[in-house]
Amino acid sequence: QVQLVESGGGVVQPGRSLRLSCAASGFTFDSYGMHWVRQAPGKGLEWVAVISYDGSNKYYTESVKGRFTISRDNSKNTLYLEMNSLRAEDTAVYYCAKDRDSRGSSGPNYWGQGTLVTVSS
Amino acid sequence: QSVLTQPPSASGTPGQRVTISCSGSSSNIGSNTVNWYQQLPGTAPKLLIYSSNQRPSGVPDRFSGSKSGTSASLAISGLQSEDEADYYCATWDDSLNGWVFGGGTKLTVL
Repeated sequence: QVQLVESGGGVVQPGRSLRLSCAASGFTFDSYGMHWVRQAPGKGLEWVAVISYDGSNKYYTESVKGRFTISRDNSKNTLYLEMNSLRAEDTAVYYCAKDRDSRGSSGPNYWGQGTLVTVSS
Repeated sequence: QSVLTQPPSASGTPGQRVTISCSGSSSNIGSNTVNWYQQLPGTAPKLLIYSSNQRPSGVPDRFSGSKSGTSASLAISGLQSEDEADYYCATWDDSLNGWVFGGGTKLTVL
Protein backbone atom coordinates (compact mmCIF):
# COMPACT_ATOMS: atom_id res chain seq x y z
CA GLN A 1 0.00 0.00 0.00
CA VAL A 2 1.11 3.56 -0.67
CA GLN A 3 2.85 5.20 2.27
CA LEU A 4 4.10 8.76 2.44
CA VAL A 5 5.84 9.89 5.61
CA GLU A 6 6.80 13.54 6.01
CA SER A 7 9.47 14.78 8.39
CA GLY A 8 11.50 17.90 9.11
CA GLY A 9 8.83 20.21 10.44
CA GLY A 10 9.25 22.32 13.54
CA VAL A 11 9.48 25.85 14.89
CA VAL A 12 11.71 28.23 12.94
CA GLN A 13 12.33 31.97 13.14
CA PRO A 14 11.24 34.29 10.33
CA GLY A 15 13.89 34.57 7.63
CA ARG A 16 15.45 31.18 8.42
CA SER A 17 15.39 27.97 6.39
CA LEU A 18 13.97 24.49 6.78
CA ARG A 19 14.02 21.33 4.67
CA LEU A 20 11.11 18.93 4.61
CA SER A 21 11.44 15.30 3.52
CA CYS A 22 8.87 12.76 2.41
CA ALA A 23 9.77 9.06 2.40
CA ALA A 24 7.70 7.08 -0.10
CA SER A 25 6.98 3.38 -0.26
CA GLY A 26 4.45 0.94 -1.68
CA PHE A 27 4.66 2.20 -5.27
CA THR A 28 7.22 2.83 -8.03
CA PHE A 29 8.37 6.24 -6.85
CA ASP A 30 10.31 7.19 -9.98
CA SER A 31 7.21 6.77 -12.15
CA TYR A 32 5.02 9.44 -10.58
CA GLY A 33 4.85 13.17 -10.15
CA MET A 34 4.82 14.42 -6.57
CA HIS A 35 3.25 17.43 -4.83
CA TRP A 36 3.56 19.50 -1.70
CA VAL A 37 0.28 20.95 -0.41
CA ARG A 38 -0.08 23.00 2.77
CA GLN A 39 -2.86 23.90 5.17
CA ALA A 40 -2.59 26.84 7.55
CA PRO A 41 -4.24 26.34 10.96
CA GLY A 42 -8.01 26.39 10.56
CA LYS A 43 -7.75 27.19 6.84
CA GLY A 44 -8.20 25.40 3.53
CA LEU A 45 -5.78 23.50 1.33
CA GLU A 46 -3.18 25.43 -0.68
CA TRP A 47 -1.13 23.76 -3.38
CA VAL A 48 2.59 24.61 -3.07
CA ALA A 49 4.60 22.79 -5.74
CA VAL A 50 4.77 19.81 -8.07
CA ILE A 51 7.69 17.91 -9.61
CA SER A 52 7.60 15.44 -12.50
CA TYR A 53 8.76 11.83 -12.19
CA ASP A 54 12.33 12.59 -13.27
CA GLY A 55 12.64 16.06 -11.72
CA SER A 56 12.81 17.77 -15.10
CA ASN A 57 9.68 19.86 -14.59
CA LYS A 58 8.77 21.85 -11.50
CA TYR A 59 5.96 24.32 -10.84
CA TYR A 60 5.28 26.53 -7.82
CA THR A 61 2.52 28.66 -6.43
CA GLU A 62 3.32 32.36 -6.82
CA SER A 63 3.81 33.09 -3.12
CA VAL A 64 6.74 30.67 -2.76
CA LYS A 65 8.55 31.23 -6.06
CA GLY A 66 12.19 32.10 -5.47
CA ARG A 67 12.01 30.96 -1.83
CA PHE A 68 11.01 27.26 -1.98
CA THR A 69 12.59 24.48 -4.05
CA ILE A 70 11.02 21.10 -4.67
CA SER A 71 13.35 18.21 -5.50
CA ARG A 72 13.48 14.43 -5.41
CA ASP A 73 16.03 11.64 -5.04
CA ASN A 74 14.64 8.63 -6.88
CA SER A 75 17.47 6.42 -5.59
CA LYS A 76 16.21 7.08 -2.05
CA ASN A 77 12.45 7.22 -2.84
CA THR A 78 12.37 10.61 -1.18
CA LEU A 79 10.77 13.97 -1.99
CA TYR A 80 12.09 17.24 -0.55
CA LEU A 81 10.97 20.81 -0.03
CA GLU A 82 13.71 23.33 0.71
CA MET A 83 12.15 26.41 2.29
CA ASN A 84 14.16 29.63 2.58
CA SER A 85 13.32 33.12 3.81
CA LEU A 86 10.42 31.76 5.80
CA ARG A 87 7.58 34.05 6.75
CA ALA A 88 4.86 33.86 9.38
CA GLU A 89 2.33 33.17 6.63
CA ASP A 90 4.20 29.97 5.73
CA THR A 91 3.01 28.45 9.01
CA ALA A 92 1.01 25.36 8.06
CA VAL A 93 0.82 21.61 7.98
CA TYR A 94 2.73 20.51 4.88
CA TYR A 95 1.46 17.42 3.08
CA CYS A 96 3.40 15.34 0.61
CA ALA A 97 1.17 13.81 -2.06
CA LYS A 98 1.55 11.40 -4.96
CA ASP A 99 0.08 12.26 -8.35
CA ARG A 100 -1.87 9.84 -10.54
CA ASP A 101 0.55 10.33 -13.45
CA SER A 102 4.22 10.86 -14.18
CA ARG A 103 4.10 14.57 -14.96
CA GLY A 104 2.03 15.67 -11.95
CA SER A 105 -0.81 16.77 -14.21
CA SER A 106 -3.65 14.62 -12.85
CA GLY A 107 -3.57 15.76 -9.24
CA PRO A 108 -2.83 14.09 -5.91
CA ASN A 109 -4.37 10.69 -5.23
CA TYR A 110 -2.51 9.70 -2.04
CA TRP A 111 -1.47 11.95 0.81
CA GLY A 112 0.86 11.69 3.77
CA GLN A 113 -0.18 12.65 7.28
CA GLY A 114 1.62 15.98 7.16
CA THR A 115 4.31 17.78 9.13
CA LEU A 116 3.72 21.07 10.97
CA VAL A 117 5.92 24.07 10.21
CA THR A 118 5.60 27.03 12.57
CA VAL A 119 7.37 30.27 11.68
CA SER A 120 7.62 32.43 14.77
CA SER A 121 10.14 34.49 16.66
CA GLN B 1 -9.36 34.54 -2.02
CA SER B 2 -9.38 31.18 -3.82
CA VAL B 3 -9.35 30.92 -7.61
CA LEU B 4 -12.09 28.30 -7.34
CA THR B 5 -15.24 29.36 -5.48
CA GLN B 6 -17.09 26.96 -3.19
CA PRO B 7 -19.86 27.68 -0.68
CA PRO B 8 -18.31 27.76 2.81
CA SER B 9 -20.95 25.46 4.23
CA ALA B 10 -23.62 22.93 3.32
CA SER B 11 -25.92 20.74 5.35
CA GLY B 12 -28.44 17.95 5.11
CA THR B 13 -30.22 15.30 7.10
CA PRO B 14 -29.41 11.58 6.97
CA GLY B 15 -30.62 10.02 3.74
CA GLN B 16 -30.85 13.32 1.89
CA ARG B 17 -28.98 14.31 -1.26
CA VAL B 18 -26.69 17.33 -1.13
CA THR B 19 -24.64 19.03 -3.80
CA ILE B 20 -21.54 21.18 -3.47
CA SER B 21 -20.60 23.55 -6.26
CA CYS B 22 -17.20 24.71 -7.49
CA SER B 23 -17.01 27.71 -9.80
CA GLY B 24 -13.96 28.62 -11.83
CA SER B 25 -12.99 30.11 -15.17
CA SER B 26 -11.93 29.20 -18.68
CA SER B 27 -8.29 28.83 -17.63
CA ASN B 28 -8.99 26.20 -15.00
CA ILE B 29 -12.27 24.24 -14.86
CA GLY B 30 -13.16 25.34 -18.37
CA SER B 31 -10.17 23.54 -19.85
CA ASN B 32 -9.22 20.84 -17.33
CA THR B 33 -10.82 18.07 -15.34
CA VAL B 34 -11.66 18.44 -11.66
CA ASN B 35 -10.76 16.42 -8.59
CA TRP B 36 -12.70 16.39 -5.33
CA TYR B 37 -11.19 15.65 -1.93
CA GLN B 38 -12.75 14.77 1.41
CA GLN B 39 -11.00 15.78 4.62
CA LEU B 40 -12.39 14.28 7.80
CA PRO B 41 -11.62 16.19 11.01
CA GLY B 42 -7.97 15.87 12.02
CA THR B 43 -6.98 13.73 9.04
CA ALA B 44 -5.24 14.10 5.69
CA PRO B 45 -7.33 14.69 2.56
CA LYS B 46 -8.59 11.73 0.57
CA LEU B 47 -9.30 11.61 -3.17
CA LEU B 48 -13.04 11.25 -3.73
CA ILE B 49 -13.53 12.02 -7.43
CA TYR B 50 -10.99 12.38 -10.23
CA SER B 51 -11.31 13.41 -13.88
CA SER B 52 -14.50 15.27 -12.93
CA ASN B 53 -16.70 12.17 -12.59
CA GLN B 54 -14.59 9.09 -11.83
CA ARG B 55 -14.52 7.35 -8.46
CA PRO B 56 -11.36 5.66 -7.14
CA SER B 57 -11.88 2.10 -6.02
CA GLY B 58 -13.33 1.97 -2.52
CA VAL B 59 -15.27 5.21 -2.78
CA PRO B 60 -19.01 4.50 -2.40
CA ASP B 61 -21.22 5.19 -5.42
CA ARG B 62 -23.18 7.61 -3.22
CA PHE B 63 -20.54 10.12 -4.29
CA SER B 64 -20.67 11.47 -7.84
CA GLY B 65 -19.13 14.35 -9.75
CA SER B 66 -20.02 16.38 -12.80
CA LYS B 67 -18.66 19.30 -14.78
CA SER B 68 -20.27 21.78 -17.13
CA GLY B 69 -18.45 24.72 -18.66
CA THR B 70 -16.54 26.53 -15.92
CA SER B 71 -18.33 24.88 -13.00
CA ALA B 72 -18.22 21.50 -11.31
CA SER B 73 -20.37 19.80 -8.70
CA LEU B 74 -20.05 17.05 -6.13
CA ALA B 75 -23.24 15.21 -5.20
CA ILE B 76 -23.66 13.02 -2.15
CA SER B 77 -26.79 10.89 -1.99
CA GLY B 78 -28.06 8.88 0.97
CA LEU B 79 -26.25 11.24 3.33
CA GLN B 80 -24.65 9.55 6.35
CA SER B 81 -23.26 10.98 9.57
CA GLU B 82 -19.75 9.87 8.59
CA ASP B 83 -19.92 12.15 5.55
CA GLU B 84 -19.51 15.14 7.85
CA ALA B 85 -16.23 16.61 6.62
CA ASP B 86 -14.62 19.37 4.57
CA TYR B 87 -14.77 18.98 0.80
CA TYR B 88 -12.40 20.61 -1.70
CA CYS B 89 -12.37 20.87 -5.48
CA ALA B 90 -9.06 21.18 -7.36
CA THR B 91 -7.84 21.52 -10.91
CA TRP B 92 -4.89 22.74 -13.00
CA ASP B 93 -4.90 26.41 -14.01
CA ASP B 94 -3.35 27.09 -17.43
CA SER B 95 -2.79 30.79 -16.69
CA LEU B 96 -1.17 30.30 -13.29
CA ASN B 97 0.71 27.18 -14.41
CA GLY B 98 -0.18 25.44 -11.20
CA TRP B 99 -2.82 23.56 -9.30
CA VAL B 100 -5.58 25.47 -7.55
CA PHE B 101 -7.94 24.43 -4.77
CA GLY B 102 -11.34 25.73 -3.85
CA GLY B 103 -11.73 27.32 -0.45
CA GLY B 104 -13.50 24.24 0.89
CA THR B 105 -17.05 23.44 1.95
CA LYS B 106 -17.85 22.24 5.46
CA LEU B 107 -20.63 19.67 5.29
CA THR B 108 -22.77 19.23 8.37
CA VAL B 109 -25.11 16.26 8.78
CA LEU B 110 -27.99 17.48 10.93
